[in-house]
Amino acid sequence: KQEVTQIPAALSVPEGENLVLNCSFTDSAIYNLQWFRQDPGKGLTSLLLIQSSQREQTSGRLNASLDKSSGRSTLYIAASQPGDSATYLCAAPNTGNQFYFGTGTSLTVIP
Amino acid sequence: DAGVIQSPRHEVTEMGQEVTLRCKPISGHNSLFWYRQTMMRGLELLIYFNNNVPIDDSGMPEDRFSAKMPNASFSTLKIQPSEPRDSAVYFCASSWAGPDTQYFGPGTRLTVL
Repeated sequence: KQEVTQIPAALSVPEGENLVLNCSFTDSAIYNLQWFRQDPGKGLTSLLLIQSSQREQTSGRLNASLDKSSGRSTLYIAASQPGDSATYLCAAPNTGNQFYFGTGTSLTVIP
Repeated sequence: DAGVIQSPRHEVTEMGQEVTLRCKPISGHNSLFWYRQTMMRGLELLIYFNNNVPIDDSGMPEDRFSAKMPNASFSTLKIQPSEPRDSAVYFCASSWAGPDTQYFGPGTRLTVL
């Protein structure tokens, strides 16, 4: 069974700082790698999806990379803002459409 | 589009009662997923439908849980009888196809006393 780990579990940074969130997975037979954001009491919002054949994907201040061989993905957030405060989760679905989520990184950006 | 709609948003019930959670996926999406989220276990996939057909229900915890998708615009997750350990937030998500980008509903917070 796929195991997805996210480190750190919590992160607190001052506004304006660039930061990196990490996601690792044990089975490299993934279909894609997805990053989500979850605000307290809300559902998940999709941020980025990297196909298994891709190396990275960018959206605004967010950049996600994927290294299947090492079982790692990173989410880079540039010039962090207080509005970025949320829990960030990664998911690694396999070709059988089984979704495995990490436990998330809780991010706090201090004004 | 209104996004994925779930009802009720909150449900409080007593142990042994039947609970039915409802989901309306985004129009045109072919895949629907039910998840459960708890502090202890995180987000777990319970069941996945494709074109209204259950494809993978290996995540359904036990026979007390059942899910149906009678048509492309409606799905239910039923727990009968409910137990306190079923207390969690249940999410429904839909996508155009399989492991494509998923769109989540707001969730149903279930409390079983």
